[in-house]
Amino acid sequence: GESVGLHLPTLSVQEGDNSIINCAYSNSASDYFIWYKQESGKGPQFIIDIRSNMDKRQGQRVTVLLNKTVKHLSLQIAATQPGDSAVYFCAENTDSGGSNYKLTFGKGTLLTVNP
Amino acid sequence: GAVVSQHPSWVICKSGTSVKIECRSLDFQATTMFWYRQFPKQSLMLMATSNEGSKATYEQGVEKDKFLINHASLTLSTLTVTSAHPEDSSFYICSAWMGGATDTQYFGPGTRLTVL
Repeated sequence: GESVGLHLPTLSVQEGDNSIINCAYSNSASDYFIWYKQESGKGPQFIIDIRSNMDKRQGQRVTVLLNKTVKHLSLQIAATQPGDSAVYFCAENTDSGGSNYKLTFGKGTLLTVNP
Repeated sequence: GAVVSQHPSWVICKSGTSVKIECRSLDFQATTMFWYRQFPKQSLMLMATSNEGSKATYEQGVEKDKFLINHASLTLSTLTVTSAHPEDSSFYICSAWMGGATDTQYFGPGTRLTVL
Protein backbone atom coordinates (compact mmCIF):
# COMPACT_ATOMS: atom_id res chain seq x y z
CA GLY A 1 0.00 0.00 0.00
CA GLU A 2 0.90 3.60 -0.14
CA SER A 3 3.00 4.94 2.65
CA VAL A 4 1.57 7.36 5.11
CA GLY A 5 1.61 10.87 3.69
CA LEU A 6 1.01 14.33 5.04
CA HIS A 7 -1.63 15.25 2.49
CA LEU A 8 -4.99 13.56 2.30
CA PRO A 9 -6.33 13.30 -1.26
CA THR A 10 -9.83 14.70 -1.54
CA LEU A 11 -12.82 14.03 -3.75
CA SER A 12 -15.86 16.25 -3.82
CA VAL A 13 -19.07 15.08 -5.53
CA GLN A 14 -22.68 16.11 -5.78
CA GLU A 15 -25.33 14.09 -4.06
CA GLY A 16 -26.65 11.44 -6.42
CA ASP A 17 -23.50 11.25 -8.50
CA ASN A 18 -21.28 8.18 -8.62
CA SER A 19 -17.95 8.33 -6.80
CA ILE A 20 -14.75 6.54 -7.69
CA ILE A 21 -11.95 6.35 -5.16
CA ASN A 22 -8.61 4.97 -6.25
CA CYS A 23 -5.78 3.22 -4.50
CA ALA A 24 -2.41 2.04 -5.71
CA TYR A 25 -0.61 -0.75 -3.90
CA SER A 26 3.01 -1.67 -4.17
CA ASN A 27 3.27 -5.29 -3.04
CA SER A 28 2.54 -7.71 -5.85
CA ALA A 29 2.33 -10.50 -3.25
CA SER A 30 -0.76 -8.99 -1.64
CA ASP A 31 -3.68 -11.35 -2.04
CA TYR A 32 -6.50 -9.75 -0.09
CA PHE A 33 -7.78 -6.21 -0.14
CA ILE A 34 -10.32 -4.33 1.92
CA TRP A 35 -11.96 -0.94 1.72
CA TYR A 36 -12.77 0.80 4.99
CA LYS A 37 -14.80 3.93 5.68
CA GLN A 38 -13.79 6.14 8.59
CA GLU A 39 -15.97 8.94 9.86
CA SER A 40 -14.46 11.70 11.94
CA GLY A 41 -13.50 10.54 15.42
CA LYS A 42 -14.53 6.94 14.80
CA GLY A 43 -12.85 3.66 13.96
CA PRO A 44 -12.73 2.26 10.42
CA GLN A 45 -15.83 0.48 9.22
CA PHE A 46 -15.61 -2.47 6.81
CA ILE A 47 -17.19 -1.77 3.43
CA ILE A 48 -16.16 -4.48 1.01
CA ASP A 49 -13.29 -6.85 0.33
CA ILE A 50 -11.84 -8.71 -2.62
CA ARG A 51 -9.35 -11.50 -3.08
CA SER A 52 -6.63 -11.50 -5.69
CA ASN A 53 -8.30 -14.25 -7.70
CA MET A 54 -11.13 -11.85 -8.52
CA ASP A 55 -11.16 -8.58 -10.45
CA LYS A 56 -14.57 -7.29 -9.42
CA ARG A 57 -16.93 -7.62 -6.50
CA GLN A 58 -20.20 -5.89 -5.86
CA GLY A 59 -22.01 -4.99 -2.69
CA GLN A 60 -24.89 -2.74 -1.88
CA ARG A 61 -24.20 0.49 -3.84
CA VAL A 62 -20.49 -0.30 -3.84
CA THR A 63 -18.22 -2.06 -6.28
CA VAL A 64 -14.55 -2.86 -5.87
CA LEU A 65 -12.34 -3.36 -8.90
CA LEU A 66 -8.90 -4.93 -8.75
CA ASN A 67 -6.31 -4.62 -11.50
CA LYS A 68 -3.35 -6.73 -10.52
CA THR A 69 -1.42 -5.86 -13.68
CA VAL A 70 -1.01 -2.26 -12.60
CA LYS A 71 -1.53 -2.91 -8.88
CA HIS A 72 -4.59 -0.72 -8.67
CA LEU A 73 -7.73 -0.93 -6.60
CA SER A 74 -10.82 1.21 -6.87
CA LEU A 75 -14.03 1.70 -4.94
CA GLN A 76 -17.11 2.83 -6.78
CA ILE A 77 -20.03 4.22 -4.82
CA ALA A 78 -23.29 4.54 -6.72
CA ALA A 79 -25.74 7.38 -6.06
CA THR A 80 -23.52 8.96 -3.43
CA GLN A 81 -25.33 10.30 -0.38
CA PRO A 82 -24.30 12.89 2.23
CA GLY A 83 -23.89 10.03 4.71
CA ASP A 84 -21.11 8.66 2.52
CA SER A 85 -18.91 11.63 3.43
CA ALA A 86 -15.89 10.18 5.21
CA VAL A 87 -12.29 9.14 4.71
CA TYR A 88 -11.91 5.93 2.71
CA PHE A 89 -8.91 3.68 3.16
CA CYS A 90 -7.79 0.74 1.13
CA ALA A 91 -5.86 -1.93 2.97
CA GLU A 92 -3.87 -4.89 1.71
CA ASN A 93 -2.91 -8.16 3.28
CA THR A 94 0.23 -9.91 2.20
CA ASP A 95 -0.21 -13.01 4.31
CA SER A 96 -3.84 -14.00 4.07
CA GLY A 97 -4.65 -16.44 6.85
CA GLY A 98 -1.02 -16.93 7.61
CA SER A 99 0.93 -16.45 10.78
CA ASN A 100 2.08 -13.03 9.67
CA TYR A 101 -1.39 -11.79 8.82
CA LYS A 102 -1.63 -8.04 9.05
CA LEU A 103 -3.02 -5.16 7.04
CA THR A 104 -1.14 -2.28 5.47
CA PHE A 105 -3.27 0.82 4.96
CA GLY A 106 -3.15 3.35 2.15
CA LYS A 107 -3.10 7.07 2.85
CA GLY A 108 -6.85 7.49 2.53
CA THR A 109 -9.13 9.71 0.48
CA LEU A 110 -11.52 12.27 1.94
CA LEU A 111 -14.88 12.09 0.20
CA THR A 112 -17.16 15.09 0.57
CA VAL A 113 -20.71 14.85 -0.74
CA ASN A 114 -22.42 18.15 -1.45
CA PRO A 115 -26.19 18.23 -1.08
CA GLY B 1 -22.13 -9.30 14.71
CA ALA B 2 -18.36 -8.73 14.87
CA VAL B 3 -18.48 -5.81 17.30
CA VAL B 4 -15.33 -4.48 18.90
CA SER B 5 -15.42 -2.02 21.77
CA GLN B 6 -12.77 0.20 23.30
CA HIS B 7 -12.62 1.86 26.67
CA PRO B 8 -12.22 4.67 27.37
CA SER B 9 -13.31 6.55 24.25
CA TRP B 10 -11.19 9.50 25.30
CA VAL B 11 -8.75 10.26 28.08
CA ILE B 12 -6.75 13.27 29.21
CA CYS B 13 -3.76 12.69 31.44
CA LYS B 14 -0.75 14.51 32.82
CA SER B 15 2.70 13.99 31.43
CA GLY B 16 4.50 11.13 33.16
CA THR B 17 1.42 9.13 34.03
CA SER B 18 0.35 5.81 32.53
CA VAL B 19 -2.86 5.16 30.68
CA LYS B 20 -4.53 1.82 29.98
CA ILE B 21 -6.83 1.27 27.00
CA GLU B 22 -9.03 -1.81 26.73
CA CYS B 23 -10.13 -3.52 23.55
CA ARG B 24 -12.87 -6.15 23.63
CA SER B 25 -14.46 -8.33 20.99
CA LEU B 26 -18.06 -8.51 22.14
CA ASP B 27 -19.61 -11.28 20.11
CA PHE B 28 -16.72 -13.37 18.85
CA GLN B 29 -13.41 -14.75 19.97
CA ALA B 30 -10.46 -12.99 18.42
CA THR B 31 -7.47 -15.06 17.45
CA THR B 32 -5.45 -11.93 17.09
CA MET B 33 -5.86 -8.30 18.04
CA PHE B 34 -4.02 -5.36 16.56
CA TRP B 35 -3.19 -1.92 17.88
CA TYR B 36 -2.94 1.07 15.57
CA ARG B 37 -2.09 4.68 16.02
CA GLN B 38 -3.48 7.48 13.89
CA PHE B 39 -2.44 11.12 13.76
CA PRO B 40 -4.80 13.78 12.34
CA LYS B 41 -5.35 13.56 8.59
CA GLN B 42 -3.09 10.53 8.36
CA SER B 43 -3.49 6.84 7.84
CA LEU B 44 -3.49 4.06 10.41
CA MET B 45 -0.08 2.86 11.45
CA LEU B 46 0.19 -0.61 12.91
CA MET B 47 1.92 -0.61 16.28
CA ALA B 48 1.74 -4.23 17.33
CA THR B 49 0.07 -7.57 16.83
CA SER B 50 -1.26 -9.32 19.88
CA ASN B 51 -2.05 -13.01 20.22
CA GLU B 52 -3.81 -14.42 23.25
CA GLY B 53 -1.41 -15.90 25.75
CA SER B 54 1.77 -14.85 23.99
CA LYS B 55 3.96 -11.81 23.73
CA ALA B 56 2.95 -9.11 21.33
CA THR B 57 4.89 -8.53 18.14
CA TYR B 58 5.85 -4.90 17.75
CA GLU B 59 6.41 -3.06 14.50
CA GLN B 60 9.76 -1.50 13.82
CA GLY B 61 10.21 1.75 15.69
CA VAL B 62 7.56 1.05 18.33
CA GLU B 63 8.97 0.89 21.86
CA LYS B 64 7.72 -2.22 23.57
CA ASP B 65 8.57 -0.89 27.02
CA LYS B 66 6.54 2.22 26.40
CA PHE B 67 3.51 0.59 24.84
CA LEU B 68 2.75 -2.46 26.96
CA ILE B 69 0.29 -4.91 25.46
CA ASN B 70 -1.46 -7.65 27.37
CA HIS B 71 -3.76 -10.13 25.67
CA ALA B 72 -5.27 -11.96 28.61
CA SER B 73 -8.13 -13.71 26.83
CA LEU B 74 -9.61 -14.29 23.40
CA THR B 75 -11.88 -11.29 23.90
CA LEU B 76 -9.66 -8.76 25.67
CA SER B 77 -6.44 -6.97 24.86
CA THR B 78 -5.06 -3.95 26.69
CA LEU B 79 -2.59 -1.27 25.65
CA THR B 80 -0.84 0.67 28.39
CA VAL B 81 0.98 3.84 27.44
CA THR B 82 3.61 4.19 30.16
CA SER B 83 5.06 7.52 31.25
CA ALA B 84 3.01 9.31 28.66
CA HIS B 85 4.30 12.51 27.07
CA PRO B 86 2.58 15.09 24.86
CA GLU B 87 3.99 13.45 21.73
CA ASP B 88 2.05 10.31 22.63
CA SER B 89 -1.19 12.20 22.12
CA SER B 90 -2.99 10.44 19.32
CA PHE B 91 -5.99 8.35 18.31
CA TYR B 92 -5.42 4.72 19.28
CA ILE B 93 -7.50 2.10 17.51
CA CYS B 94 -7.66 -1.62 18.06
CA SER B 95 -8.93 -4.30 15.74
CA ALA B 96 -9.73 -7.96 16.09
CA TRP B 97 -9.37 -10.85 13.72
CA MET B 98 -11.40 -13.95 14.33
CA GLY B 99 -9.16 -16.08 12.15
CA GLY B 100 -10.21 -19.03 10.08
CA ALA B 101 -11.66 -18.43 6.64
CA THR B 102 -12.32 -14.75 7.17
CA ASP B 103 -9.47 -12.29 6.75
CA THR B 104 -11.40 -9.22 7.78
CA GLN B 105 -10.28 -7.16 10.75
CA TYR B 106 -13.04 -5.49 12.73
CA PHE B 107 -12.16 -2.21 14.32
CA GLY B 108 -13.03 -0.61 17.60
CA PRO B 109 -14.27 2.99 17.82
CA GLY B 110 -10.88 4.31 18.89
CA THR B 111 -9.54 6.09 21.97
CA ARG B 112 -8.46 9.72 21.86
CA LEU B 113 -5.47 10.23 24.16
CA THR B 114 -4.41 13.74 25.09
CA VAL B 115 -1.32 14.16 27.26
CA LEU B 116 -0.91 17.53 28.89
